[in-house]
Amino acid sequence: EAGVVQSPRYKIIEKKQPVAFWCNPISGHNTLYWYLQNLGQGPELLIRYENEEAVDDSQLPKDRFSAERLKGVDSTLKIQPAELGDSAVYLCASSLGDEAFFGQGTRLTVV
Amino acid sequence: GENVEQHPSTLSVQEGDSAVIKCTYSDSASNYFPWYKQELGKRPQLIIDIRSNVGEKKDQRIAVTLNKTAKHFSLHITETQPEDSAVYFCAAPPIGGSQGNLIFGKGTKLSVKP
Repeated sequence: EAGVVQSPRYKIIEKKQPVAFWCNPISGHNTLYWYLQNLGQGPELLIRYENEEAVDDSQLPKDRFSAERLKGVDSTLKIQPAELGDSAVYLCASSLGDEAFFGQGTRLTVV
Repeated sequence: GENVEQHPSTLSVQEGDSAVIKCTYSDSASNYFPWYKQELGKRPQLIIDIRSNVGEKKDQRIAVTLNKTAKHFSLHITETQPEDSAVYFCAAPPIGGSQGNLIFGKGTKLSVKP
């Protein structure tokens, strides 16, 4: 069974540029999460989807971050414009019940 | 909101010894407590979880204990091996939130010396 797939694995961009991350959850998982993980820290939730509905986006910096999950399957997370402090690993996860399955993450470096 | 504190931040043990990592949480209504293992450069993976209706759960060399009164839960790894070296995260659901929304601890970097 394929796990949660994220792309790209790595991204280096200059500050003020836009960037987008893509996530394909495990088939049948209706819940999808985007987490931010800074070096040496635990994952922090940015947004959670139940099917195509964003049910918790309280931690998403809406001035520059946006996300969508139009058909309740794949999801994209966008940052525009990126700032130096956005450098981190962006993890996508999906679940059907309690256990959250994580993707490999996208390591973003903003220079 | 829910506050999950994890200790220690780093732990070094000799191969074969036991390792214990402890987490405290603030919401007495929390009912699901998973532990994730994250190897360097890899994704977090669930290794064991416990629900509030039991006090202990074991899976081979790994066990988790839960003390609801004190609001803490611990990960126990016995007979540690070098491949146990990783960062371990505890998690708990947020206050009033779905247990799918997990609040993670800051992690414990475990090093097992051969």
